[in-house]
Amino acid sequence: DTEVTQTPKHLVMGMTNKKSLKCEQHMGHRAMYWYKQKAKKPPELMFVYSYEKLSINESVPSRFSPECPNSSLLNLHLHALQPEDSALYLCASSRTRPTGSWAEQYFGPGTRLTVT
Amino acid sequence: GENVEQHPSTLSVQEGDSAVIKCTYSDSASNYFPWYKQELGKRPQLIIDIRSNVGEKKDQRIAVTLNKTAKHFSLHITETQPEDSAVYFCAASTTGTASKLTFGTGTRLQVTL
Repeated sequence: DTEVTQTPKHLVMGMTNKKSLKCEQHMGHRAMYWYKQKAKKPPELMFVYSYEKLSINESVPSRFSPECPNSSLLNLHLHALQPEDSALYLCASSRTRPTGSWAEQYFGPGTRLTVT
Repeated sequence: GENVEQHPSTLSVQEGDSAVIKCTYSDSASNYFPWYKQELGKRPQLIIDIRSNVGEKKDQRIAVTLNKTAKHFSLHITETQPEDSAVYFCAASTTGTASKLTFGTGTRLQVTL
């Protein structure tokens, strides 16, 4: 399996809802990432997990809460979001150093989130 | 932190011509430079990358060059085809257990017949 999968593909939620995004990979990668991408903009890094531990948090608001329950799964819990949080949320994974090709990140198809 | 600039923002070429996209980075500690292609509504797809110990890398019609001294790297696509039309992002990564990518602003490439 050489793919990163994400569910759901689309999500519409109100500002008072709680929802979760899910990401899964079975490539044995031990680093996983969440990115946010607005229309016509590059992906922006949100969180990095390395060996199931949060290693980077790019000052993301607490209404976004990541979780890495095991080496294959990455979740992003959403609560009390704002309309400006509407975006494509991308998950990625990579090997970790010192494994060869450690830096190559492979992206999932993303979840298109709309906050109403 | 790292800052990556990318030019041009849009590029239109005729089929068969070459296309060049240029990026500069600010952090001299960056040592990994991937290029991603993103078609409309699709995921970013890694097309080629280069590490700081290499000056040039080629894969069929695409090549990437790196000038560490000047802190810039470029993507070259030869014999462009309509299916090359997409948004291309360069990125730079600092070292660590995992890679932290900072992306450029993107180049929309249009290959016309």
